Amino acid sequence: DTAVSQTPKYLVTQMGNDKSIKCEQNLGHDTMYWYKQDSKKFLKIMFSYNNKELIINETVPNRFSPKSPDKAHLNLHINSLELGDSAVYFCASSLRREQYFGPGTRLTVT
Amino acid sequence: SQQGEEDPQALSIQEGENATMNCSYKTSINNLQWYRQNSGRGLVHLILIRSNEREKHSGRLRVTLDTSKKSSSLLITASRAADTASYFCATDAGGGADGLTFGKGTHLIIQP
Repeated sequence: DTAVSQTPKYLVTQMGNDKSIKCEQNLGHDTMYWYKQDSKKFLKIMFSYNNKELIINETVPNRFSPKSPDKAHLNLHINSLELGDSAVYFCASSLRREQYFGPGTRLTVT
Repeated sequence: SQQGEEDPQALSIQEGENATMNCSYKTSINNLQWYRQNSGRGLVHLILIRSNEREKHSGRLRVTLDTSKKSSSLLITASRAADTASYFCATDAGGGADGLTFGKGTHLIIQP
């Protein structure tokens, strides 16, 4: 029944590691997104992707890369993790303008 | 850059009272949306108002939009304890697959 799901829910890892967060939507939406929510709850778009284009927020380090194996999935790969990457990462999808969010992945880098 | 600014940052009211939150933004928009986030959860879409609309209702929610002032307000009437959450406005510039630009949010606490 879950519309947008993410795994894992929690991720604790050490600096320098490479990790991935998976996202799946069963809504048949064309566009998927990744957002980062910092400790002050500020949400910022990182990527948006549909089958035609990938839009990257220019402030996102190139250590972050989205990968979409198919229309229902948009995974987030992070290389060489840094302390400042600790945050909650949300995946979302949309068909028109309103977005449907996943439950979030809390990433803690130690 | 941050688009929306919610005001107030935090609001605590008694159950049954009305809660009003405001949002200001800086650039042209296609639409403005409000989302709710319960603690430790994802965001839930509440309501969308297009740039050519001035007011919209959905249940106990009333949203206004003033494009000349680049501002919006969200009114929750007859608040309930379950309304306790953070509320975010988000602007949509309407360009292709662009994501939303969120404000900092208003944390609403409804005292039973």
